[in-house]
Amino acid sequence: DAKTTQPNSMESNEEEPVHLPCNHSTISGTDYIHWYRQLPSQGPEYVIHGLTSNVNNRMASLAIAEDRKSSTLILHRATLRDAAVYYCILRSYGGSQGNLIFGKGTKLSVKP
Amino acid sequence: GAVVSQHPSRVICKSGTSVKIECRSLDFQATTMFWYRQFPKQSLMLMATSNEGSKATYEQGVEKDKFLINHASLTLSTLTVTSAHPEDSSFYICSAGSSLREQYFGPGTRLTVT
Repeated sequence: DAKTTQPNSMESNEEEPVHLPCNHSTISGTDYIHWYRQLPSQGPEYVIHGLTSNVNNRMASLAIAEDRKSSTLILHRATLRDAAVYYCILRSYGGSQGNLIFGKGTKLSVKP
Repeated sequence: GAVVSQHPSRVICKSGTSVKIECRSLDFQATTMFWYRQFPKQSLMLMATSNEGSKATYEQGVEKDKFLINHASLTLSTLTVTSAHPEDSSFYICSAGSSLREQYFGPGTRLTVT
């Protein structure tokens, strides 16, 4: 699976939008972009994923660059419960069985 | 979404003993489950792929005789840490799901070996 690059940490104020960037310049045409987050002392949880088009769900939005070499996870109104490590992961269609290769992720801090 | 449970949530054992951790998919069947390990302030590292009805596949550097995996049914995989040592103290997490869509993770098991 191709590699992703994320900032080590970011800070946000409560109730403000947060844009978490991810670079994946070696992405292939069959790679899906997945985002997971891990709250302290918990297992990761799925946030969102996409292939080419921007995606929205109840948790977040995913904006994918036209060349697909970068993407941005958008939390529209950060809450204290959004403080977590956010992982951007590429998954190849028809590739391995579903295991995820985790990078270091971005640690998001949310200030009240 | 689907639910994956783990038991126990935390365990303390003495050096040299064995510990079994269970991973269950509560509302779906999983032919494949994954076991990860996470040391403090580090990311998750895949340890092995658990396959229902067949042998597990281990990642390079993970001792298969030390970390025994059994996937006896479509909803249960177990990880047994044999002859545990303090360096095996870690956060163990399992996951299950489809190859294309999301993976569902268990809440993790905190193992402390004294």
